[in-house]
Formats: sequence, C-alpha cells, structure tokens
Amino acid sequence: EAQVTQNPRYLITVTGKKLTVTCSQNMNHEYMSWYRQDPGLGLRQIYYSMNVEVTDKGDVPEGYKVSRKEKRNFPLILESPSPNQTSLYFCASSLDLTAGELFFGEGSRLTVL
Amino acid sequence: KQEVTQIPAALSVPEGENLVLNCSFTDSAIYNLQWFRQDPGKGLTSLLLIQSSQREQTSGRLNASLDKSSGRSTLYIAASQPGDSATYLCAVRSGGTSYGKLTFGQGTILTVHP
Repeated sequence: EAQVTQNPRYLITVTGKKLTVTCSQNMNHEYMSWYRQDPGLGLRQIYYSMNVEVTDKGDVPEGYKVSRKEKRNFPLILESPSPNQTSLYFCASSLDLTAGELFFGEGSRLTVL
Repeated sequence: KQEVTQIPAALSVPEGENLVLNCSFTDSAIYNLQWFRQDPGKGLTSLLLIQSSQREQTSGRLNASLDKSSGRSTLYIAASQPGDSATYLCAVRSGGTSYGKLTFGQGTILTVHP
C-alpha cells in the first residue's frame, strides 16, 4: 500500500532534549516536505527536499533541521526543542515538484514542556 | 511571498445543497493547486489536483476550477452529504523565486446537517 509513515505519532518531551521525527515513503517520490499545523495559523511549510541531498527552507525553518540521505526518508530534527514548537507535524511527498499529487502522513503531535 | 486566502471560513448547509468554496492566491506564478479535506485529528486527504495549464478537474461530486490569471480557484460540491463535513484546504505550489514552496489557505470548515 502506498503510504507516508511518520513516527512517533505522539510525543511529550522537555525543553532542550533533542528529538527526531521520522518520515518514510514507499512510492519512490522525489519531493518530500514537512509542515506544522497550529490553531489560527494553519499549515506552514518548514523544509522541503526536491531530491536526495537537496533540501531548502520553507516559511518557518527556525529551530529545525532536516536531512535527505536516502530517497525514501526525510527526518525532521529538533536539536533543542522549545515550548513554541509544540504543534501537529505533517510529512508529505509527491512524485516530483511540478505535477505530482501530494500525499500526507497521519501526523505527529508533539508537546514540549 | 505567496498568500492564500479561503472564503468563507465556515459554512453550514442542509443536506442536499450544492455549495462553492473559494480560494484566492496573490502570485500567479504557480505550478499547480491542490484541494484537500481534513477530518478532525486526522491527516490530509487529497481531493483534486489542478495543473497550472488546466482549467478544471472533476472527481465524482467534486469539481475544482482554476483561473490562474485572476488568482482564484473554486471547489464545487454537488448534492452535499453529512459525510462531507470536514475542513477543506487549498494549497498552492509556487514557481518563480518561490520554487518548491507550498502555501496553504486557512481552510473552510464545512458542516452538512441532515
């Protein structure tokens, strides 16, 4: 089954404790991206990647890192999480940048205390 | 910077009505526009994708149109059902200097009551 898988789905952590949210897709997609969703602010793009070893900043990249060492994986790294990073995070992928339909993961709800 | 606006913010209709959701964007240099639905606490489900060269796309009771020059898209839902109740989001894939970026509207919360 074609899917985008995120882990963990739920996480409660404390300020400053490094964490990684993994994202994996099994559709051989070139384009992958991360978003956060906050009440009143909607969905905002954090980072995106157009292919292996190619990443770029979205609208809200501060406090986040990403890497794309393999085509299928695009982890989101919070080196030193802060309470303002408490949010619902989504990973998405598409075949390519211009034509592909975007497929989303189920979301990861992160709480930083 | 691309900005995407959806109107109305919320809509409540009786079952069976036809309805239109609106999405407008400020920069017409786009690759495509995609409509999604999101159920509470869930991820996003793709409804329709319209390429910048297309005028409309249809899937079942849904029809989406795109007027790139005026920066507008509409999602038409025919014969609405209670199961259509969800938040509907439009997202624009930008070209030009914003190559690769995806911008979402705030969404329209739709309630269809029996």
